[in-house]
Amino acid sequence: DAKTTQPPSMDCAEGRAANLPCNHSTISGNEYVYWYRQIHSQGPQYIIHGLKNNETNEMASLIITEDRKSSTLILPHATLRDTAVYYCIVTGSARQLTFGSGTQLTVLP
Amino acid sequence: DAGVTQSPTHLIKTRGQQVTLRCSPKSGHDTVSWYQQALGQGPQFIFQYYEEEERQRGNFPDRFSGHQFPNYSSELNVNALLLGDSALYLCASSLFQRNTEAFFGQGTRLTVV
Repeated sequence: DAKTTQPPSMDCAEGRAANLPCNHSTISGNEYVYWYRQIHSQGPQYIIHGLKNNETNEMASLIITEDRKSSTLILPHATLRDTAVYYCIVTGSARQLTFGSGTQLTVLP
Repeated sequence: DAGVTQSPTHLIKTRGQQVTLRCSPKSGHDTVSWYQQALGQGPQFIFQYYEEEERQRGNFPDRFSGHQFPNYSSELNVNALLLGDSALYLCASSLFQRNTEAFFGQGTRLTVV
């Protein structure tokens, strides 16, 4: 699986969009970009995934650059409950996920 | 539709003992993967089961073993427990033939004393 680089921490004001970046310059053609988040001591929660097209669901949007070397997870209207560690994972299979250190997102009131 | 369920939620064991953790996958899923998450770190892949066989394995010793049953549920067994085995153990389920998302349970917190 390709290695990912994420900032260790970010803050966001409540109600504003949270934009979480991820670099994955060594991604290969058959690898997907997955995003999970983990609230303290709970199991990771699936957010979204994509191959090369931008994706949107009820939780978030995923923007993947045309060269696929980086992506951004967008939470359109962050709430206090979105405070969590966000993991960007690049993998050819969701059956075996390699978690890095992630980004600690803190939503401020 | 129940998601991924794990039992027990918490467990305390003594060094040298053996432990069995259980996981029921999300309805319709056929693959179960196990992860270990030490305090302050991201989850680490232990192994994956499909069709009652171990398909992939991470860098964990043979003290860690597993089983998958015909109904797709799974067990994780750890023998000769060490203090360093204290962690949150997570189970994730997915579909083997499709590259869709994996869903996680809430985990079992194992404390070895």
